[in-house]
Amino acid sequence: AQSVAQPEDQVNVAEGNPLTVKCTYSVSGNPYLFWYVQYPNRGLQFLLKYITGDNLVKGSYGFEAEFNKSQTSFHLKKPSALVSDSALYFCAVYMNRDDKIIFGKGTRLHILP
Amino acid sequence: NAGVTQTPKFQVLKTGQSMTLQCAQDMNHEYMSWYRQDPGMGLRLIHYSVGAGITDQGEVPNGYNVSRSTTEDFPLRLLSAAPSQTSVYFCASSFVSSRRLYNEQFFGPGTRLTVL
Repeated sequence: AQSVAQPEDQVNVAEGNPLTVKCTYSVSGNPYLFWYVQYPNRGLQFLLKYITGDNLVKGSYGFEAEFNKSQTSFHLKKPSALVSDSALYFCAVYMNRDDKIIFGKGTRLHILP
Repeated sequence: NAGVTQTPKFQVLKTGQSMTLQCAQDMNHEYMSWYRQDPGMGLRLIHYSVGAGITDQGEVPNGYNVSRSTTEDFPLRLLSAAPSQTSVYFCASSFVSSRRLYNEQFFGPGTRLTVL
C-alpha cells in the first residue's frame, strides 16, 4: 500500500542547533514529495517539494530536504533552528496512480530558547 | 486574490443535523480537496476533484458528499452529523499541469466543527 510515515510525534531542538524532521514513504513509481508547515489555528503552508533532479531541495524559511531513494526517505532539515520554527510539520506524497495527495500524521517541532 | 476561503469558521451541530461547509478559490485551480484533521491522525483526505463535474473519494468519505459544479466552488455536505465527525476541516486547491498533480496545494483557514 502506498503511504507516508513520520516516525516522530515530537522533536525538541535547542535554538541555533540543526534540526531534522523525518519522513519515509512507500509508493509505486516515482514519488512526488512535499513538506508543509502549520502554525497554530492556521491552514497548512507549502515549504518545498521534490519532483525530480537534485536530491537536495531548498525551500522557504531556510528549510531544505534531502531525497534518498535507497532509504525511501525525504527528511526536512535546517542548519540553525529558530524559536519561530516551532510548529506542526507534515510530509505528503502525491500518488500518481489515482491523483491523491496523502499526508503523514505530522511532527510537532519545539525549538527551545 | 483571496486565495482559498472557507465558511463558516466555527460550527456546532446536533447529532443528525445536516450542513454544508463552503469552500471557494479564486486562482482558477482545477484540483480541489477536503481534509479533516484530528489529533494524532494528521490530515486525512475525504473527497477530491480534478475539475468541474469530476469528484472522487479519498481515505475517509463515509458520511460526506461533495459536488463540483464550477471551478471555483467545492462544498462539503454532512448528511447526518455524528459526534465522530467532530474535527477541523480544511479545503485545499492546486494547479494541475499536464494532468499530473505535482504542484503545491493552497489551504484555506479551516472550519472547526463540533457535533454534540
